[in-house]
Amino acid sequence: QVQLVQSGAEVKKPGSSVKVSCKASGGTFSSYTISWVRQAPGQGLEWMGRIIPILGIANYAQKFQGRVTITADKSTSTAYMELSSLRSEDTAVYYCARAENPTGDFDYWGQGTLVTVSS
Amino acid sequence: EIVLTQSPGTLSLSPGERATLSCRASQSVSSSYLAWYQQKPGQAPRLLIYGASSRATGIPDRFSGSGSGTDFTLTISRLEPEDFAVYYCQQYGSSPVYTFGQGTKLEIK
Repeated sequence: QVQLVQSGAEVKKPGSSVKVSCKASGGTFSSYTISWVRQAPGQGLEWMGRIIPILGIANYAQKFQGRVTITADKSTSTAYMELSSLRSEDTAVYYCARAENPTGDFDYWGQGTLVTVSS
Repeated sequence: EIVLTQSPGTLSLSPGERATLSCRASQSVSSSYLAWYQQKPGQAPRLLIYGASSRATGIPDRFSGSGSGTDFTLTISRLEPEDFAVYYCQQYGSSPVYTFGQGTKLEIK
């Protein structure tokens, strides 16, 4: 049974950074990609970027280029998303999601991590 | 970048009725790369449909997807109480990039 378990809620100051983890169990970590999708309060879904763990290659949405870093540790089947220069608009629930099919659909999601940016 | 526009923004229907949700793309999307998700309050999204028309594992057959090119549709044939939620379409393109529609809220009338 595939599960993606994320780290807990965070409260951060503007200008700081946050790093969220996503630990995968079940399945083969290196056989799929992990994306990060965020959802601001009352808003829709926004893709931030993804990593291909077997290659260690990450791709980012243009909006987040230079501010987000996605990494993966194959030894622990864990992906990470670090967002820097936080501002209040970054307050959101951050999800990791797995895409195994070449069609790119996300068949498994983490439970979400609430990141609150407040002074 | 492809923009996905969903309509209507809110759909008010009663249990037992048929729901038709639309997703229109700003340029042609390969059917293989169009998916639909359901999201309930406080929960992560759940994959319903991939490849425009294939149901994901465990999804009831009252959910169906169709369409091609720039126009895609999610149909729920007979609404059950648990179907009232927000629905998103999503496409996967080159670069790579994923984009989501803004969502359709399906509410009980």
